[in-house]
Amino acid sequence: DAGVIQSPRHEVTEMGQEVTLRCKPISGHNSLFWYRQTMMRGLELLIYFNNNVPIDDSGMPEDRFSAKMPNASFSTLKIQPSEPRDSAVYFCASSVANSEAFFGQGTRLTVV
Amino acid sequence: SQQGEEDPQALSIQEGENATMNCSYKTSINNLQWYRQNSGRGLVHLILIRSNEREKHSGRLRVTLDTSKKSSSLLITASRAADTASYFCATNMNYGGSQGNLIFGKGTKLSVKP
Repeated sequence: DAGVIQSPRHEVTEMGQEVTLRCKPISGHNSLFWYRQTMMRGLELLIYFNNNVPIDDSGMPEDRFSAKMPNASFSTLKIQPSEPRDSAVYFCASSVANSEAFFGQGTRLTVV
Repeated sequence: SQQGEEDPQALSIQEGENATMNCSYKTSINNLQWYRQNSGRGLVHLILIRSNEREKHSGRLRVTLDTSKKSSSLLITASRAADTASYFCATNMNYGGSQGNLIFGKGTKLSVKP
């Protein structure tokens, strides 16, 4: 397996634009996590899914953020409209239940 | 909150020395995990210790867990320059038998000088 695949690796966008981050988890993993990492706030859990169902989205900062997992092999994190303070590295990770998580390489988002 | 907190925030040692990092957390957990992150890269899992375990070894890594004190430690023995990275603890809570959340601390930045 190629591991957790995130795209794009880098994204630069203008304030107000819609941004969509994508994640393909490892085949057979039934849990998927979205994190945001910044120097100030560290690694924050935004949302996680079990068997494609969102379980806890309390970390989603605002209504501008939304996440979907339409099937076991794909998830998206959308920011609409984007703001400069959304600039961060966004990580996706997947796991089987209560085991180690495997991380993607991240998407570095810059909103100007 | 559940979030683990690592101590120290930064640690600088010479090659060959041992490095010890600590993690404290606030709630009951299912397991505690340690991860490593090289600059600009994703996190890599190092070791998982379950709530009913007290100590675990993996190569040069030794992890302890004290659930009464809600704390864990990661020991890296005979450190190498290649161990330079940030190290994070993460706490996992159960969720009705299924995967619970996985909350990370702010990490310890380890620098190993050759």
